[in-house]
Amino acid sequence: QVLPEQWGTGLLKPSETLSLSCGVFGDPSSIFYYWTWIRQTPGKGLEWIGQISYVGTTNYNPSLSSRVAISLDPSKFQVSLILTSVTGADTATYYCAPSLDITGTILTLWGQGSQVSVSS
Amino acid sequence: DIQMTQSPKSLAASVGDTVTITCQASQDIDVSVNWYLQKSGKPPQLLIYGGSFLDIGVPSRFSGSGSGTDFSLSISSLKPEDFGTYFCQQSFFFPYTFGQGTALQI
Repeated sequence: QVLPEQWGTGLLKPSETLSLSCGVFGDPSSIFYYWTWIRQTPGKGLEWIGQISYVGTTNYNPSLSSRVAISLDPSKFQVSLILTSVTGADTATYYCAPSLDITGTILTLWGQGSQVSVSS
Repeated sequence: DIQMTQSPKSLAASVGDTVTITCQASQDIDVSVNWYLQKSGKPPQLLIYGGSFLDIGVPSRFSGSGSGTDFSLSISSLKPEDFGTYFCQQSFFFPYTFGQGTALQI
């Protein structure tokens, strides 16, 4: 089973912009109906950031919606996460999870995680 | 947001035991609950979706039940690879939310 790969900036200063990408390579026959981003911290646990559908429809967590943007390049099987004006509270491990199910609620595939630290 | 209250926070058990973890939602979420197992340093692994459906490859010793606001995950005949942290997640209302986790320890 092909697993998602994640890449992006791992160390940021407060007020900078977080940028992460996620892609699935080697399996052009799969259709990923939704791509979801989730983050995890020791203190707050798992937090659903948002998702994008294969036609570009987005849903964001209201707690982050003013700072977050998820975009998709379906031809490249890649999705990106942008989070602006980061603070220490955004220090977390970020996961992408592309969904093969049409509802976007069944998260079988997860990326390996991207550790992001925000520090001055 | 929907609050998912998971209990217990930690649980000690032995190989061969049967354990049950519960999750209570702050509102009716039908059967829209997923259960995950996370090992240290790894992403969560989906075990059960839609309250009771086992993901592909998940052993039948795992079972999920419940509807409305009360849900449970049972694991029978515990094996060494079953130890880790279990999370519930609701997928009925945006934003989807997770329980705080149950650490299952030997």
